[in-house]
Amino acid sequence: SQTIHQWPATLVQPVGSPLSLECTVEGTSNPNLYWYRQAAGRGLQLLFYSVGIGQISSEVPQNLSASRPQDRQFILSSKKLLLSDSGFYLCAKRGGIQETQYFGPGTRLLVL
Amino acid sequence: GEDVEQSLFLSVREGDSSVINCTYTDSSSTYLYWYKQEPGAGLQLLTYIFSNMDMKQDQRLTVLLNKKDKHLSLRIADTQTGDSAIYFCAGYGGATNKLIFGTGTLLAVQP
Repeated sequence: SQTIHQWPATLVQPVGSPLSLECTVEGTSNPNLYWYRQAAGRGLQLLFYSVGIGQISSEVPQNLSASRPQDRQFILSSKKLLLSDSGFYLCAKRGGIQETQYFGPGTRLLVL
Repeated sequence: GEDVEQSLFLSVREGDSSVINCTYTDSSSTYLYWYKQEPGAGLQLLTYIFSNMDMKQDQRLTVLLNKKDKHLSLRIADTQTGDSAIYFCAGYGGATNKLIFGTGTLLAVQP
């Protein structure tokens, strides 16, 4: 199974508030997991990836952090949101043939 | 590192063929992928091609790979209004764990 769940689907938050986005995946154990942001426009920006529990690699300096407390759970967080954090956040897992990535339905975040 | 480029927009009439193009820089990419993103949704894997192949056909989709020119294309035959979406190509970026995505091509299908 390549099923990926993301929660919540949509979120509106004030500037300065905290953030927690959750991604859970089904299927094989110890998958590589990824967080992407898609800002207005369309390009995908890789934010974090994880090859295992507690292992997080950050791609860009930013206001966000990620954690992987369980094998199939990946969390994206912020202590204080900025306006520029608005966007569409996508979680992905690597599975199937080699580097194929499968994506969740996304969380749309609007920071006001 | 890997760089992947696509044209931004393509408009076709329903029933025509669509060809979406992509160029990449890293010749070590093992697999190359096409994803489709419908409005408000995540990315859906459409098809992929292994780097030692020149062509792959899957129903209405044909992927062509020109390794010499580092050029990848996706042809959609008999394009339907339901094919309207953003299409991303992606390649594995060398010795990293990361897929590198193009900027996406918005395909608009006119009835």
